[in-house]
Amino acid sequence: QSVLTQPPSASGTPGQRVTISCSGSSSNIGSNTVNWYQQLPGTAPKLLIYSNNQRPSGVPDRFSGSKSGTSASLAISGLQSEDEADYYCAAWADSLNGFWVFGGGTKLTVL
Amino acid sequence: QVQLQESGPGLVKPSQTLSLTCTVSGGSISSGGYYWSWIRQHPGKGLEWIGYIYYSGSTYYNPSLKSRVTISVDTSKNQFSLKLSSVTAADTAVYYCARSTVTRLYPWGQGTLVTVSS
Repeated sequence: QSVLTQPPSASGTPGQRVTISCSGSSSNIGSNTVNWYQQLPGTAPKLLIYSNNQRPSGVPDRFSGSKSGTSASLAISGLQSEDEADYYCAAWADSLNGFWVFGGGTKLTVL
Repeated sequence: QVQLQESGPGLVKPSQTLSLTCTVSGGSISSGGYYWSWIRQHPGKGLEWIGYIYYSGSTYYNPSLKSRVTISVDTSKNQFSLKLSSVTAADTAVYYCARSTVTRLYPWGQGTLVTVSS
């Protein structure tokens, strides 16, 4: 199973606000920042959020991220049909060397 | 901007070695501060970090794959490579290469599907 815990599914209607949670531990989310990715079928994950709440250029401000302690959240406001995708959280995990850990992914359905 | 592209055989026989290369363009693989990573995604499943090579040449592998994984770099070609030995059907996945710092795992390559089958 994945190191970070996400709900397997989420849903919302167009225009709604949806949040996806990501739970970790003191060695990953608790001590490092979180990335969020959107993955459409057959494509590579696309970076939506980095450093907990920063959006790369080109990502709409409908997407926002937050972190508190060992948990993080991705919020999508003004839900659109094209937001239907899989969403993954990721964080650097501290160890002797450090490495990336991922959530199991959340399938977002736009009803 | 930096772009990554995976290449290699799409079909590997069981017990053989899977070999993939990631070509980096728009930036030097020798530039400091980056971890050059391999990640895989089994069909319909989540993401699994395989390992990385640091710009200095040091490597670190997922403990669950460590005995079978080798990541190397060819700075003259601006490429880094993945070798996974003794593959089984369980290694069938889409393999991605990516660049990272400790705060951002980005950019990623488009991914390449490797199927293990006789």
